[in-house]
Amino acid sequence: AQTVTQSQPEMSVQEAETVTLSCTYDTSESNYYLFWYKQPPSRQMILVIRQEAYKQQNATENRFSVNFQKAAKSFSLKISDSQLGDTAMYFCAFMKGPNNNDMRFGAGTRLTVKP
Amino acid sequence: GAVVSQHPSRVICKSGTSVKIECRSLDFQATTMFWYRQFPKKSLMLMATSNEGSKATYEQGVEKDKFLINHASLTLSTLTVTSAHPEDSSFYICSARGDPTSNQPQHFGDGTRLSIL
Repeated sequence: AQTVTQSQPEMSVQEAETVTLSCTYDTSESNYYLFWYKQPPSRQMILVIRQEAYKQQNATENRFSVNFQKAAKSFSLKISDSQLGDTAMYFCAFMKGPNNNDMRFGAGTRLTVKP
Repeated sequence: GAVVSQHPSRVICKSGTSVKIECRSLDFQATTMFWYRQFPKKSLMLMATSNEGSKATYEQGVEKDKFLINHASLTLSTLTVTSAHPEDSSFYICSARGDPTSNQPQHFGDGTRLSIL
């Protein structure tokens, strides 16, 4: 079974600074997908960024980027120029592929951006 | 982008009541829908996976007679919490996925906060 571990229950960062959220996973699969979801106080799940395991290049979406280390099974999220609206729970998620429906989530990291 | 609508957003009812939650994909056909439960300050726990026209697959420890799932069409899945009790109080989130060969992520509804008195 796949497991996803987020070892930082809570983090904080000053507005405009950079923060990195950690995620490790355990799998025997060679082809899979990794995601970071954001859940603000409204509880809506918002996809932040995704990474296909077969791609060596790290995914980037504006201020959000990942450091994907396949051998180490590590998938960290870097948020640059943090904004107050980034305050939320962040969940790392793993999905086997292809044609697979099973998505597993980490325990989450609560990020607070301070003014 | 893909939109999933979940209704109602909040339910407060007495113990023993059955509660139905709807999950609709508004602009795509959802081959598969997922139901999650989230306790306060905890992660999402997958309860069951439903495919249109077939019986849902429940995760270990989830009572299928307690949590009835129906996925009658490609745009609608329902979760019915039967004879709800206070311990069923939680945040329930659905998600939907289209063509699995596209390997697109799941699209989430806004969740339903269920409170059983």
